[in-house]
Amino acid sequence: KQEVTQIPAALSVPEGENLVLNCSFTDSAIYNLQWFRQDPGKGLTSLLLIQSSQREQTSGRLNASLDKSSGRSTLYIAASQPGDSATYLCAVAGANSKLTFGKGITLSVRP
Amino acid sequence: EAGVAQSPRYKIIEKRQSVAFWCNPISGHATLYWYQQILGQGPKLLIQFQNNGVVDDSQLPKDRFSAERLKGVDSTLKIQPAKLEDSAVYLCASSLEVRTGPNSPLHFGNGTRLTVT
Repeated sequence: KQEVTQIPAALSVPEGENLVLNCSFTDSAIYNLQWFRQDPGKGLTSLLLIQSSQREQTSGRLNASLDKSSGRSTLYIAASQPGDSATYLCAVAGANSKLTFGKGITLSVRP
Repeated sequence: EAGVAQSPRYKIIEKRQSVAFWCNPISGHATLYWYQQILGQGPKLLIQFQNNGVVDDSQLPKDRFSAERLKGVDSTLKIQPAKLEDSAVYLCASSLEVRTGPNSPLHFGNGTRLTVT
């Protein structure tokens, strides 16, 4: 059974800092890995999707990497802004395409 | 394009009562999902539809939860009778294809927050 872990549960940083959010998973037989953002009272918004054959994906100030062999992914946020404050969830899709989510990391960027 | 629509946004009921949630996916999306997100947890898949057929309902508590997707478009999720542990946000999502991927990302609605007292 796939398990996805995100540690720490919460993070607070000053504006402008570069930061890394970590995600680990137990079963390396994945189809893809996705990072989502969730604002309070809202649904999830897809940020980046990395196929199992890829190593990384970039979108603006965001860069996600995938190391299947070690069961790890990182989401790098450059030059953080208060508007980046949200919960970031990692999800892994297995061969059946079913997504298993981590509990998320709640990020607070202080002005 | 219009997003995934869900209603109601909030619902408060007493235990043992019944409740229903409604979802309208993005037009043309064949696959529809219902997720349960308990406070502080990641979403858990309850049921996945491909058009109006069920692809996966392995984590749906079928003794109290039911879902249908008539005509392969809108969907309703029902709980009867509700328990205290059903308090959660119920998220609907849709995608173009069964497999989410670069050409078929997952789109979520804003969810229905259910409180069972």
